Amino acid sequence: AQSVTQPDIHITVSEGASLELRCNYSYGATPYLFWYVQSPGQGLQLLLKYFSGDTLVQGIKGFEAEFKRSQSSFNLRKPSVHWSDAAEYFCAVGPPYSGGGADGLTFGKGTHLIIQP
Amino acid sequence: EPEVTQTPSHQVTQMGQEVILRCVPISNHLYFYWYRQILGQKVEFLVSFYNNEISEKSEIFDDQFSVERPDGSNFTLKIRSTKLEDSAMYFCASSTKGRGYTFGSGTRLTVV
Repeated sequence: AQSVTQPDIHITVSEGASLELRCNYSYGATPYLFWYVQSPGQGLQLLLKYFSGDTLVQGIKGFEAEFKRSQSSFNLRKPSVHWSDAAEYFCAVGPPYSGGGADGLTFGKGTHLIIQP
Repeated sequence: EPEVTQTPSHQVTQMGQEVILRCVPISNHLYFYWYRQILGQKVEFLVSFYNNEISEKSEIFDDQFSVERPDGSNFTLKIRSTKLEDSAMYFCASSTKGRGYTFGSGTRLTVV
């Protein structure tokens, strides 16, 4: 069965510092990969997704993620965080033929990002 | 940018009551989903719906749950007899192949 591991429950970063959120997955094939952000009481906003092709994916709000097949990882990065980036971040995987399709996404437990002034 | 709309944003219901959560997916999307997030926990897949029938469902989606697309725009999740443990944020999502998923803002269901 597929699974997603986000090993860091909480991460604290100073404003202006760089950020990396880790995501590892277990899947029978290369899945479709997603990062979502959730502000308190809000819905899930898609930051970026990887379906195929270039393994470095650019997303919204200055985020990027790199797919590494050998490590089964899809880590999220941002070179300089802003106070408004404080939120919960979820990594998710879906079956390789989807990106839409019958099967749902499997989410990690999330990483809570705290920004220090 | 097109949005998935969910109503109500917050619903309080008594244990044992039926509740219907409503969603308006993006108009040209073909696949519709419900997810659940219990407070402080991860988002969990409940069910997917395509061509007017359930495509996939998780073990969470038992006989207490049902989904319906009563007209061309709405997609509903019904919980027949709510339990305390049904308290959660429920997210609707829609998609079209190759484009990923768009989530709504969620309905926070509180069962008392």
